[in-house]
Amino acid sequence: GNSVTQMEGPVTLSEEAFLTINCTYTATGYPSLFWYVQYPGEGLQLLLKATKADDKGSNKGFEATYRKETTSFHLEKGSVQVSDSAVYFCALSSMDTGRRALTFGSGTRLQVQP
Amino acid sequence: EADIYQTPRYLVIGTGKKITLECSQTMGHDKMYWYQQDPGMELHLIHYSYGVNSTEKGDLSSESTVSRIRTEHFPLTLESARPSHTSQYLCASSEIQGFGYTFGSGTRLTVV
Repeated sequence: GNSVTQMEGPVTLSEEAFLTINCTYTATGYPSLFWYVQYPGEGLQLLLKATKADDKGSNKGFEATYRKETTSFHLEKGSVQVSDSAVYFCALSSMDTGRRALTFGSGTRLQVQP
Repeated sequence: EADIYQTPRYLVIGTGKKITLECSQTMGHDKMYWYQQDPGMELHLIHYSYGVNSTEKGDLSSESTVSRIRTEHFPLTLESARPSHTSQYLCASSEIQGFGYTFGSGTRLTVV
């Protein structure tokens, strides 16, 4: 079946540091890939997406490139802010056991210190 | 602004009580989903619906039940709450199956 593997957290960075959160996936067919963010006490919000190989999704300074050859979709940001502290989920959408489903990684907590 | 609403946000309830978690969306989406989020943050799909009068169990076995009588409404019910049901419950909807989910803010349930 489909699966998503994210780096374990928490990731602790100082403000203005460079961020990378690794995400790799296993899926049949041609999945679409997503990053969701969950701020404390809230539900998940879509951060960015990519629907085919070599697509780059971007939003709010975050970027991720769909790499089919390495089955990866790493999240990056050049300069993080305290307000970026949240839990980040990588996810894929693909056929699995006969239905199209959204499969989530286990989440990576980011803590940004001033 | 498209929205999906969950009530209550927080609920503390005694063992054995019956509870219903409400979820409503104003986007006209046919597809709706319930996820259980454990303290370790992992999300588990427990129920989904692809339209009125259609409900299916998800990947994680759950003692809860759901109904879908109206497109916009997808409530989750626990007939007899237990401490093991303590968790955060997230509702989501989408226009396309398995794609472009919009999530509610969640209900944090504590059973004492």
